[in-house]
Amino acid sequence: AQKITQTQPGMFVQEKEAVTLDCTYDTSDPSYGLFWYKQPSSGEMIFLIYQGSYDQQNATEGRYSLNFQKARKSANLVISASQLGDSAMYFCAMREYASGYSTLTFGKGTMLLVSP
Amino acid sequence: GAGVSQTPSNKVTEKGKYVELRCDPISGHTALYWYRQSLGQGPEFLIYFQGTGAADDSGLPNDRFFAVRPEGSVSTLKIQRTERGDSAVYLCASSQDRDGGYTFGSGTRLTVV
Repeated sequence: AQKITQTQPGMFVQEKEAVTLDCTYDTSDPSYGLFWYKQPSSGEMIFLIYQGSYDQQNATEGRYSLNFQKARKSANLVISASQLGDSAMYFCAMREYASGYSTLTFGKGTMLLVSP
Repeated sequence: GAGVSQTPSNKVTEKGKYVELRCDPISGHTALYWYRQSLGQGPEFLIYFQGTGAADDSGLPNDRFFAVRPEGSVSTLKIQRTERGDSAVYLCASSQDRDGGYTFGSGTRLTVV
């Protein structure tokens, strides 16, 4: 089974609207972290937001918030007030801590296009 | 340096040739990771260094791929007898320690013709 699933290959949103990018994950590790990265056309991976499995509250970073539903194993990214510069690929990723590995497992990504 | 530096940014090579990709991590970061990103996919883990040693090389696809980090800083990913299927963007990331946040480089786009 895939560890990270992003079911939306592409999403369109108008400037200033909010958009939700979906991510579900699969792990039996009780201690894990969930990450969202943005990858513009320049290619670099830009860290956006992090949610730990034991965090009681949903993470927020400026216009980004993470809708963490642990029982459903979902970690959706919400971008409020979209801007043209938000157009990029977005990747959800997970790190499992108890296994002793520190590597990230990524989903296939969602391409977000923001229109004027 | 201020960020993770990868060189070259682009590399075109002929099938069967040998290539080396370089990663210069953030100074003081002990953990270093190599990922490969094929077109339309998310990055896939290749190898992880903690200091000078490869702590996890389970992602290397076959024995044509090898990576070193002799002094615990700069790392080189080496690919022998390149194949067209090796064409991808190779990303390097570093973190302060095993559980620290990653900082990625801009990647090396490798094209095998």
